[in-house]
Amino acid sequence: KAGVTQTPRYLIKTRGQQVTLSCSPISGHRSVSWYQQTPGQGLQFLFEYFSETQRNKGNFPGRFSGRQFSNSRSEMNVSTLELGDSALYLCASSYGQISYNEQFFGPGTRLTVL
Amino acid sequence: GQNIDQPTEMTATEGAIVQINCTYQTSGFNGLFWYQQHAGEAPTFLSYNVLDGLEEKGRFSSFLSRSKGYSYLLLKELQMKDSASYLCAVSYNTDKLIFGTGTRLQVFP
Repeated sequence: KAGVTQTPRYLIKTRGQQVTLSCSPISGHRSVSWYQQTPGQGLQFLFEYFSETQRNKGNFPGRFSGRQFSNSRSEMNVSTLELGDSALYLCASSYGQISYNEQFFGPGTRLTVL
Repeated sequence: GQNIDQPTEMTATEGAIVQINCTYQTSGFNGLFWYQQHAGEAPTFLSYNVLDGLEEKGRFSSFLSRSKGYSYLLLKELQMKDSASYLCAVSYNTDKLIFGTGTRLQVFP
């Protein structure tokens, strides 16, 4: 069974630009979650999607948005990039909602904002 | 807020036993996860505790006390490959999953 894949793996952008990250979950998993990981803050929850619906959202500004498609693939968008958005963005998939189920993480997208 | 507290760093010797603690706020608690993350890699699932007590899985065990808001991950017969960050994550009945900042464990020969 293929694991969670994320594209691109690395990205360099400048302040003010926008970026779209993509995540393909494990086949059969309907829940996809996104996290931001930085050395100082650790792993911070962005949002969870289940069957194309956003189930939960973390404490991030509205510049961070996402969506999930009917095949469970998910995208995350960050608009008007700021230097502080530089981080590793991890996507995770699970069979059911993340509160009760093991999550499988992708390798992440390393975003650098200059 | 719903803070998760765990030590920032720990060191141990190969073959030894190490206990990594995690404390959390009990209000609305659903369950607690432990994940392992090697440097430069994605986190991988280790355990999930819902009920009080110790759950053993090979060299790794996880303990939970719901009333005390306390959990620990016990690693026995430490190996060099156990050098990694260990993340404690708590799910609450608001459907939020909160991760601690992680404990970086270094195992020395």
